[in-house]
Order: sequence, then C-alpha cells, then structure tokens
Amino acid sequence: AQKVTQAQTEISVVEKEDVTLDCVYETRDTTYYLFWYKQPPSGELVFLIRRNSFDEQNEISGRYSWNFQKSTSSFNFTITASQVVDSAVYFCALKISNFGNEKLTFGTGTRLTIIP
Amino acid sequence: EAGVAQSPRYKIIEKRQSVAFWCNPISGHATLYWYQQILGQGPKLLIQFQNNGVVDDSQLPKDRFSAERLKGVDSTLKIQPAKLEDSAVYLCASSLGVAGGENIQYFGAGTRLSVL
Repeated sequence: AQKVTQAQTEISVVEKEDVTLDCVYETRDTTYYLFWYKQPPSGELVFLIRRNSFDEQNEISGRYSWNFQKSTSSFNFTITASQVVDSAVYFCALKISNFGNEKLTFGTGTRLTIIP
Repeated sequence: EAGVAQSPRYKIIEKRQSVAFWCNPISGHATLYWYQQILGQGPKLLIQFQNNGVVDDSQLPKDRFSAERLKGVDSTLKIQPAKLEDSAVYLCASSLGVAGGENIQYFGAGTRLSVL
C-alpha cells in the first residue's frame, strides 16, 4: 500500500522568509510519480509539479524549488522569499504506475501562513 | 480554457436525506475523478471514470453512494441516504486520460456538504 506523510501540520513564517515543506512517501513500486498541489481558501487544488521516480533532478520554478531524494523517500518543497499569496494548504501526493488507474494518494497537508 | 466546473458550491441537508453533485470536466478530458476531502485530511479517491466506464470504485461506499457518467462528459455523484460522517468537500477532477501520458489531474473548487 502507498502512504504519504506530511508531518508539519501548520507552519507560519514572516513574509520574505524561506520555508520548506516536508513530504515523505512509502511505496514498494519502483515506478511512481510524486506531485505537489496548492489549495488556497477558494478550495480548488492547483497543480504545482509532477516528478517521476527515475528523475531525481531538483527543479526550480521562480521562487519554488523541489528536492527529490529516493534514498530518504522524500520530496520536499521550498518557497524562497515567501509572499502573502503563498498562504494555503499544500498537499504532497503519490501515484504508482498502474496502467489506467490514476489514483492519487494524498498526505494530510501542511497549512502555510505567511505573516505580512 | 475553462476549468473543471462543479455545482452546487455548498449544500446543507439533514441526515437520511439524499443529495446530488454535478461535475463538468475540462473539454477533451477522458478521465474524471470524484474525491472526498474530510476536514483536516487529504482528498481520498471515491471513483475514477475513463470515458463512461468505471476504472476504480474500490473506495466508494456503494450502499449509499452512486456515480454516473452516462455520455462520457459530465458526471453526477449521489448520496442516498446521507450520514453525518458524509460531511466533507467533494472534489471533481479531470485529466486527458492518454495511455502513457502525464495525465495531470485538474481539480474543481468542490462542493462543501454539511449533514446535520
């Protein structure tokens, strides 16, 4: 069975500080995909990034960066120079390679509050 | 491009009543998903459709929940009769559904159900 753990329930930082959201996953499959989604107060989940298990390259997109380490089964997300608009709940999710079945297994989320 | 549309946004009912939610996916998306998100938890997949066929409904409580996607486009999720523990946000998502493709899931804003 698959499992995603986001141990940080809530984080608050002052605007312009950097913040890292942790994600640890469990799966016996060798081929899998990892995702991060953002859920603002409006409620919809906004896709941020997808990574497959064969690509351990870190990725940077503007103020966002992701660190994928298979050795520790972690896929952490860093926001640099945080802004108030970054306030949201962030979810990490896992999908195994199971042709046709696209089920995402989500963590419990981390609520991020940026204090102006 | 229009996103995933859901209605209603909010619904309040009493236990043992029935309720229905509607979802219209992104145009051209073959795969449609219904997730249940209980307060403080990550979304949990209830059912996945590929066109108008069911791919995975293993976590759908079939004694009270039903879903259909008759013409392979929009979908309806019904609960009959509702229980207190059904209070949650019901999220609809869609993806292209291309074999071997990225199949990113895009989410609607959800329907918040309160069962009293």
